[in-house]
Amino acid sequence: SAVISQKPSRDICQRGTSLTIQCQVDSQVTMMFWYRQQPGQSLTLIATANQGSEATYESGFVIDKFPISRPNLTFSTLTVSNMSPEDSSIYLCSVLLAGGATDTQYFGPGTRLTVL
Amino acid sequence: AQSVTQPDIHITVSEGASLELRCNYSYGATPYLFWYVQSPGQGLQLLLKYFSGDTLVQGIKGFEAEFKRSQSSFNLRKPSVHWSDAAEYFCAVADDYKLSFGAGTTVTVRA
Repeated sequence: SAVISQKPSRDICQRGTSLTIQCQVDSQVTMMFWYRQQPGQSLTLIATANQGSEATYESGFVIDKFPISRPNLTFSTLTVSNMSPEDSSIYLCSVLLAGGATDTQYFGPGTRLTVL
Repeated sequence: AQSVTQPDIHITVSEGASLELRCNYSYGATPYLFWYVQSPGQGLQLLLKYFSGDTLVQGIKGFEAEFKRSQSSFNLRKPSVHWSDAAEYFCAVADDYKLSFGAGTTVTVRA
């Protein structure tokens, strides 16, 4: 597996502001992902963070709202822009590790965001 | 498109009793299936995974799951539940590295 850390672990923000979440992994990985978990809901994939190129967003998520950076193979950031209370969620990053015939995603501890 | 259904939103089980969580998937090819657990305030931890081969897979914390292609199911089981197993459990299917999660099952363990 991998050791994945996220900063901040939680935050309370005012509407209209932006928050940048950091994800750091202890080894080089090809693929990193960002998920959103709204209160009481399951996880939804926001985007795939690509190193050296623009992120690939899932339907319903746009770069202007969720800009992502991936400057190297161990680090990524997700920004939640112009926040509203509907953005209150847990945001999780994950990494894909290949192990023989199996590719498995491992998750960070998450960032719990509350927007007032 | 792939999808996962977890029919049980909430299950309450007594400590020491057995536990079974249901998961049904929809996927055109051979599925890559996972079970993750999320303890309160924590991220997701991988319990076990199925890619191919033996349809009964063993995971961490005494959990196992059985893949049944004929029933499109991947149910999670544990013979004897501990209070620390109280958590939310997610079944997921992978398609080209992307995970689609079920809605989750919350497990409450009573003394």
